[in-house]
Amino acid sequence: KQEVTQIPAALSVPEGENLVLNCSFTDSAIYNLQWFRQDPGKGLTSLLLIQSSQREQTSGRLNASLDKSSGRSTLYIAASQPGDSATYLCAVSNQAGTALIFGKGTTLSVSS
Amino acid sequence: DVKVTQSSRYLVKRTGEKVFLECVQDMDHENMFWYRQDPGLGLRLIYFSYDVKMKEKGDIPEGYSVSREKKERFSLILESASTNQTSMYLCASRPDRVKSYEQYFGPGTRLTVT
Repeated sequence: KQEVTQIPAALSVPEGENLVLNCSFTDSAIYNLQWFRQDPGKGLTSLLLIQSSQREQTSGRLNASLDKSSGRSTLYIAASQPGDSATYLCAVSNQAGTALIFGKGTTLSVSS
Repeated sequence: DVKVTQSSRYLVKRTGEKVFLECVQDMDHENMFWYRQDPGLGLRLIYFSYDVKMKEKGDIPEGYSVSREKKERFSLILESASTNQTSMYLCASRPDRVKSYEQYFGPGTRLTVT
């Protein structure tokens, strides 16, 4: 059974720092991987989707990488800002169109 | 923009009540999902649907049922609410079962059962 783990569970950094969030999954036969952001008490906002055939995706200050063989993905956030404070969730899909399997998230706090 | 809406942001119900949580998406997506989110447990899949009148159980379907009479609407039903169903409920949708697309979430419903 696929399991997704995110480390660390919480992270505090000063504004301007570059940071990396980690995600690992136990079954490398994934179809795609998606990173989400969740603000307190709110729904999930999709940040990046990486297909299994891709190595990375970029959007603005965010860069997500995927290494299927080692069962790992990272989310790189450049020049962090207080507005980046949120919980970041990683999720994988084992087959096309199936439901996502989520990690428990990393709660990021960026101080000004 | 894809829009997934949920009928209530906050809901308080009594034990034993029948509860309906409604989810509507406006982008003609085939696939719709219901999750619940609890501290320390993360998001867990309750039910999902690939098409109208189709439903499949997720990881924790006990105590829940669903209805999908129209493509845009997916309802989660708590037949007899219990306190252990107090949670944040999140609906999601995505297009096309075959291809790989992003999954979009609604704002969530915070349900409290007393």
